[in-house]
Amino acid sequence: SQELEQSPQSLIVQEGKNLTINCTSSKTLYGLYWYKQKYGEGLIFLMMLQKGGEEKSHEKITAKLDEKKQQSSLHITASQPSHAGIYLCGAHGSSNTGKLIFGQGTTLQVKP
Amino acid sequence: EPEVTQTPSHQVTQMGQEVILRCVPISNHLYFYWYRQILGQKVEFLVSFYNNEISEKSEIFDDQFSVERPDGSNFTLKIRSTKLEDSAMYFCASSPSMRSETQYFGPGTRLLVL
Repeated sequence: SQELEQSPQSLIVQEGKNLTINCTSSKTLYGLYWYKQKYGEGLIFLMMLQKGGEEKSHEKITAKLDEKKQQSSLHITASQPSHAGIYLCGAHGSSNTGKLIFGQGTTLQVKP
Repeated sequence: EPEVTQTPSHQVTQMGQEVILRCVPISNHLYFYWYRQILGQKVEFLVSFYNNEISEKSEIFDDQFSVERPDGSNFTLKIRSTKLEDSAMYFCASSPSMRSETQYFGPGTRLLVL
């Protein structure tokens, strides 16, 4: 079965610094989703990548999917305290399913 | 912006009791999902629902669980005879199609089984 591994597990950065979170799959990714979760709350959709080499941006967050579609990165530029939370990557388990499997999450703290 | 809503936000129950978790998916969405997250663990898929029937379910979704869309707006997860290990955050999600660009999640119901 497919597994998603995120790194690092946790991250503490100074406000204003850039950071990158990685999500690696054991198999080809059929749609890669990035969500943000505040502790004990719901998942907020950030963006979805589908094609190899695809890159999307929303405000100061950029996500990329590699050409082989087995790894995605989430990059935050000039981090702010509002970026703090848990970032989750999720992916469809195969090409004919709607269910998502998730990585274990990366906890981000931004120090003012 | 339309959103998925869930009630209650918190539920405390005694072991062996039945609970019903409720969700109102986004109105024009056709696919509905339940996931759960045990404290400190990954978000896990439970079941997907389309066209008034279960389209896929995980190994976790055994006979203790059932889902229903009793009317045009609500989507429910019933857990019969709750166990201690059912304590978790339960998320409902919906999407307009099976492989759409977005799968929207609700805020979750935190279930505590004592």
